[in-house]
Amino acid sequence: GAVVSQHPSRVICKSGTSVKIECRSLDFQATTMFWYRQFPKQSLMLMATSNEGSKATYEQGVEKDKFLINHASLTLSTLTVTSAHPEDSSFYICSVTSGPDEAFFGQGTRLTVV
Amino acid sequence: KQEVTQIPAALSVPEGENLVLNCSFTDSAIYNLQWFRQDPGKGLTSLLLIQSSQREQTSGRLNASLDKSSGRSTLYIAASQPGDSATYLCAVPNAGGTSYGKLTFGQGTILTVHP
Repeated sequence: GAVVSQHPSRVICKSGTSVKIECRSLDFQATTMFWYRQFPKQSLMLMATSNEGSKATYEQGVEKDKFLINHASLTLSTLTVTSAHPEDSSFYICSVTSGPDEAFFGQGTRLTVV
Repeated sequence: KQEVTQIPAALSVPEGENLVLNCSFTDSAIYNLQWFRQDPGKGLTSLLLIQSSQREQTSGRLNASLDKSSGRSTLYIAASQPGDSATYLCAVPNAGGTSYGKLTFGQGTILTVHP
């Protein structure tokens, strides 16, 4: 299956600052990657679809200006949380889909905004 | 809108027991169903993928079945071990039938296997 690497695994930032999370597909060229968010004791919720070379598509209720997604190459998508606030503290995780539509996930990023 | 429910929410068993985790989904027009394992604070590990045309998949001590018409899947774990302790998640493609990575997850079953 596909190998997906996320960096950093943990980040603590001050309220009002921006944080960038990287998602790399190490052995698979992914034209599409997906970003999910998981709040404590809750399940994963899809945030957005990252499209290589074009704009990301966001799920209903997700602020595109707060969660900036860039997919500049077939192996890298980045999620930037802008002007982070404590309520943005969460576990962010990315995935790629390999044939036949099996999803593979990164190790996730724990964001804490203080 | 696709909704996924997992039962039980938590399960604690002694080592060696066989156990069954349940997953149900509201829209039966799915392309596939995937079971994952998540360790605390970690990412997801894909366990089994069942295509809509299949009724079950097996990997080692794990067996997953799919009954698409009734909107149900089960994950059977044989001879459980303490190392199986984790949260188990099932996921199906969002409503519309196709996958392409847009998944709806259940809330998960927290499994604890004690020695």
